[in-house]
Amino acid sequence: EPEVTQTPSHQVTQMGQEVILRCVPISNHLYFYWYRQILGQKVEFLVSFYNNEISEKSEIFDDQFSVERPDGSNFTLKIRSTKLEDSAMYFCASSRDRGPEQYFGPGTRLTVT
Amino acid sequence: QKEVEQNSGPLSVPEGAIASLNCTYSDRGSQSFFWYRQYSGKSPELIMFIYSNGDKEDGRFTAQLNKASQYVSLLIRDSQPSDSATYLCAVGRDGQNFVFGPGTRLSVLP
Repeated sequence: EPEVTQTPSHQVTQMGQEVILRCVPISNHLYFYWYRQILGQKVEFLVSFYNNEISEKSEIFDDQFSVERPDGSNFTLKIRSTKLEDSAMYFCASSRDRGPEQYFGPGTRLTVT
Repeated sequence: QKEVEQNSGPLSVPEGAIASLNCTYSDRGSQSFFWYRQYSGKSPELIMFIYSNGDKEDGRFTAQLNKASQYVSLLIRDSQPSDSATYLCAVGRDGQNFVFGPGTRLSVLP
């Protein structure tokens, strides 16, 4: 069964450093998303991406964040200058169309020290 | 501000019983409603989605939607210890960008 994959599973970085989180969505999916979940809190939408551009973003997704689909398979989330409060699980998801079934990847745990 | 509310739990039910999980939402224009299961340290896993008022059944799971009351629920019949997890309600306007509730922790006691 196809699945969304994410790398790395755990990333530790120092405050102020740039990080890139990588995702490989399911191959025939066209819509891609990033969510984050701070430990013990709810899942929060960051950004959605379709047709090589951002279709919607939340207030959390400020200028420090960017997304890219550098090739036909990867979908990346970049945080330019990490802060302590960026520590969270980051989930990538994809869906075939503007439908209900978003499939989540296993997540990347980002720890900012 | 679109809000999705859930009782945080824990909700404890004995094995074999029916677990009832509830969710309310604030955005009256919401069109799509989802239940995800999340085991500790894992990613959300889609269980059910529902668009129309009424009930939708899939195996041991039944989702119920009442748009007038802005209420959606999930029933789990014949609960098993493996159902112990946090259940996330998510609500969307166009099925694309969800607002998640905080989740209800379910504990099924053997």
